[in-house]
Amino acid sequence: EAQVTQNPRYLITVTGKKLTVTCSQNMNHEYMSWYRQDPGLGLRQIYYSMNVEVTDKGDVPEGYKVSRKEKRNFPLILESPSPNQTSLYFCASSLKASGRASDTQYFGPGTRLTVL
Amino acid sequence: GEDVEQSLFLSVREGDSSVINCTYTDSSSTYLYWYKQEPGAGLQLLTYIFSNMDMKQDQRLTVLLNKKDKHLSLRIADTQTGDSAIYFCAESSDRGSTLGRLYFGRGTQLTVWP
Repeated sequence: EAQVTQNPRYLITVTGKKLTVTCSQNMNHEYMSWYRQDPGLGLRQIYYSMNVEVTDKGDVPEGYKVSRKEKRNFPLILESPSPNQTSLYFCASSLKASGRASDTQYFGPGTRLTVL
Repeated sequence: GEDVEQSLFLSVREGDSSVINCTYTDSSSTYLYWYKQEPGAGLQLLTYIFSNMDMKQDQRLTVLLNKKDKHLSLRIADTQTGDSAIYFCAESSDRGSTLGRLYFGRGTQLTVWP
């Protein structure tokens, strides 16, 4: 089954404790992306990757890191989480970054992160 | 970044039609999308429309696009309680520096009353 998976689905942690949220897709997609969703703000892009070893900042990259060593995986790293990073995080992927609807993004189920 | 605006809440009675509205500012938008997010779930693509189209119909869903006013709407006919969800408007462009990026509105919470 074609899908985007994220782990963990729920995480409660404390300020300053490094964490990684994994994202994996099995569709051989080139483009992958991380978003955060906050009430009343919609989805905002954190980082994206056009292909292996190619990553770039989205609209809200501060406090986050990513890597794209393999095509299928795109982990999101919080080196020193803070309470303002409490949010719902979504990973997404698409075949290419063409901007066409045929290459629209498929979303993972989300990771709810709470930083105390 | 590109601005996509939509109202935050809409309540309708079961069996009525729902209309969710969206406005956008990027004149180079090529595709406009409607995504649905059910409680505790990710985003699911409902439908999309190419920018040179005025209307697209897919079963109970009708998308209307007024490109001159940069206004997009989603009409759900015979709304059911299972349609209760957050609906996101989004846009993308197939050219320029924002190639491939999706820009989302804040989402409209649709509540359907039995």
